[in-house]
Amino acid sequence: DAGVTQSPTHLIKTRGQQVTLRCSPISGHKSVSWYQQVLGQGPQFIFQYYEKEERGRGNFPDRFSARQFPNYSSELNVNALLLGDSALYLCASSLVPGTSGYNEQFFGPGTRLTVL
Amino acid sequence: DAKTTQPNSMESNEEEPVHLPCNHSTISGTDYIHWYRQLPSQGPEYVIHGLTSNVNNRMASLAIAEDRKSSTLILHRATLRDAAVYYCILRLPGDNAGNMLTFGGGTRLMVKP
Repeated sequence: DAGVTQSPTHLIKTRGQQVTLRCSPISGHKSVSWYQQVLGQGPQFIFQYYEKEERGRGNFPDRFSARQFPNYSSELNVNALLLGDSALYLCASSLVPGTSGYNEQFFGPGTRLTVL
Repeated sequence: DAKTTQPNSMESNEEEPVHLPCNHSTISGTDYIHWYRQLPSQGPEYVIHGLTSNVNNRMASLAIAEDRKSSTLILHRATLRDAAVYYCILRLPGDNAGNMLTFGGGTRLMVKP
């Protein structure tokens, strides 16, 4: 079975531009989360989506937005890029969000965004 | 949110056991203790989780202190493939937590052949 897939693998943008990153969850998974990982640090939570609705948001500016489609895939959009947005953007999928018991998250390989 | 404290890095020899510590002195009674690891150039992957009792799975063991203020991830025989950053994370159960994982800096494990 395919794991979480993300596209593109790498991306180079310039300051002020906009970027869209894509994520396809594992088949059957309905929840998608996005994380930003700056070099040398642990991942930081950005968004969680479940059934096309936002279920959680981290401490990120409004330049960051996301959506989830009926097939449960997701896009992360970042507007007005800054140099500090350069990072690895990770997508994680899970069956459902935070049900009783444990809900393991499966991460994709990430998209490496470089802002020049 | 309750915080975790881990050493920045640790070294191990191949084929030897590794004990990765995590302190979480402000843990609440309902926080689960989770471990994820991130291999080079990959996304994090789930390792193990527990609440109060020690846990074992095919990847590792999790030893939880009786007062739950610390825990230890145990790799019984380290291999070169186990070289990774290991993250200890506290997480609430249920819908209130959603899927948000709060990663700290983790412990970089280096395995020597």
